[in-house]
Amino acid sequence: GAGVSQSPRYKVAKRGQDVALRCDPISGHVSLFWYQQALGQGPEFLTYFQNEAQLDKSGLPSDRFFAERPEGSVSTLKIQRTQQEDSAVYLCASSLHLATAYNEQFFGPGTRLTVL
Amino acid sequence: AQSVSQHNHHVILSEAASLELGCNYSYGGTVNLFWYVQYPGQHLQLLLKYFSGDPLVKGIKGFEAEFIKSKFSFNLRKPSVQWSDTAEYFCAVNARGSNYQLIWGAGTKLIIKP
Repeated sequence: GAGVSQSPRYKVAKRGQDVALRCDPISGHVSLFWYQQALGQGPEFLTYFQNEAQLDKSGLPSDRFFAERPEGSVSTLKIQRTQQEDSAVYLCASSLHLATAYNEQFFGPGTRLTVL
Repeated sequence: AQSVSQHNHHVILSEAASLELGCNYSYGGTVNLFWYVQYPGQHLQLLLKYFSGDPLVKGIKGFEAEFIKSKFSFNLRKPSVQWSDTAEYFCAVNARGSNYQLIWGAGTKLIIKP
């Protein structure tokens, strides 16, 4: 596609529900990133994929967060037993090459998750 | 821990005014520096970046930023803003050697009055 797309754009969940957030990166992009952006804050790194391999999950805040990219393209971020503190915008970004700071990351529009 | 500070959370200017948005970081080593912009209803996009060389870097839409190593700063400037510059601006820092991880500031919301 022309850019990174994410779905749904908005998600409201009751506390304790599981949610799944989808990211479609730019076709052919090797690297994929997930970020969490709390209200009034900048994005914070969650996890990084190189093709289908999850090379870095150091930013995932708890074991309730799980991400996958099984075929090296679409990625899903799953949050189990959602809590109110999970409310945030979840951003996906992709990069053409292997991840370094020198390779521009292209961002999607984000999914705004609200946990009631 | 590394951090990035953006001093102003909200800035309101009139068209044609000059702009300077502050960004300071805390890291003693070599860094790569970025400014990203998010226009209303749009995605985050790269505005400009500094890796090495001339500390005054020019980006898209007439923006520039100056890296002052002694002040740990990377302030964003534009001599004359337009209504279309209304957006949220984020400063981000990458510590060389940490590969891809960016540390982000909290952002500055810029509103330009027509």
